[in-house]
Amino acid sequence: GAVVSQHPSWVICKSGTSVKIECRSLDFQATTMFWYRQFPKQSLMLMATSNEGSKATYEQGVEKDKFLINHASLTLSTLTVTSAHPEDSSFYICSARSGISNQPQHFGDGTRLSIL
Amino acid sequence: DAKTTQPTSMDCAEGRAANLPCNHSTISGNEYVYWYRQIHSQGPQYIIHGLKNNETNEMASLIITEDRKSSTLILPHATLRDTAVYYCIVRDLYTGTASKLTFGTGTRLQVTL
Repeated sequence: GAVVSQHPSWVICKSGTSVKIECRSLDFQATTMFWYRQFPKQSLMLMATSNEGSKATYEQGVEKDKFLINHASLTLSTLTVTSAHPEDSSFYICSARSGISNQPQHFGDGTRLSIL
Repeated sequence: DAKTTQPTSMDCAEGRAANLPCNHSTISGNEYVYWYRQIHSQGPQYIIHGLKNNETNEMASLIITEDRKSSTLILPHATLRDTAVYYCIVRDLYTGTASKLTFGTGTRLQVTL
């Protein structure tokens, strides 16, 4: 089946640091990529949707200047958490979908981000 | 997108069939039903999806009622590795790339010995 690779799996860093997370579709071209965040014991919350070569569309309440998304190719999207603070600690999950309308989204294994 | 309603939790004995229900009474004609599951500390895993016909793959079967207002995911022979949170989601295909998956709280399935 379709594979989405996310890197790194986990990261611990100091407050104020910027952290970049990569998401790659390994065996299909991802027209659209999605970034989710999940806090402990909660469901996934969509942060933003990006189409290759276009600016990302952010969900209400998500700061676009804090969570920078780049989707420069059909197989790679990155999420950069700028000037991260402890409240940004969470499980970040990317997802990718091809341009075929009824094909499912496939998810990466997530990145656990801990800000000290 | 239409919302879905699922039981909070269910138990199933290993080797038995697990039947997970989902209500989506406001589903529109353009919306597919998708099922995903999330094992602890991993990303969601796609299971199956359908529009109005019953579907089966190597993981599960999806039974959709004739009026499409509810569906049931069936894991025919549950194993301990099927313990996870199962999400039923409806998605409108005709909004194109704006179409997105919105996760509810899902059903926590516990498979026991």
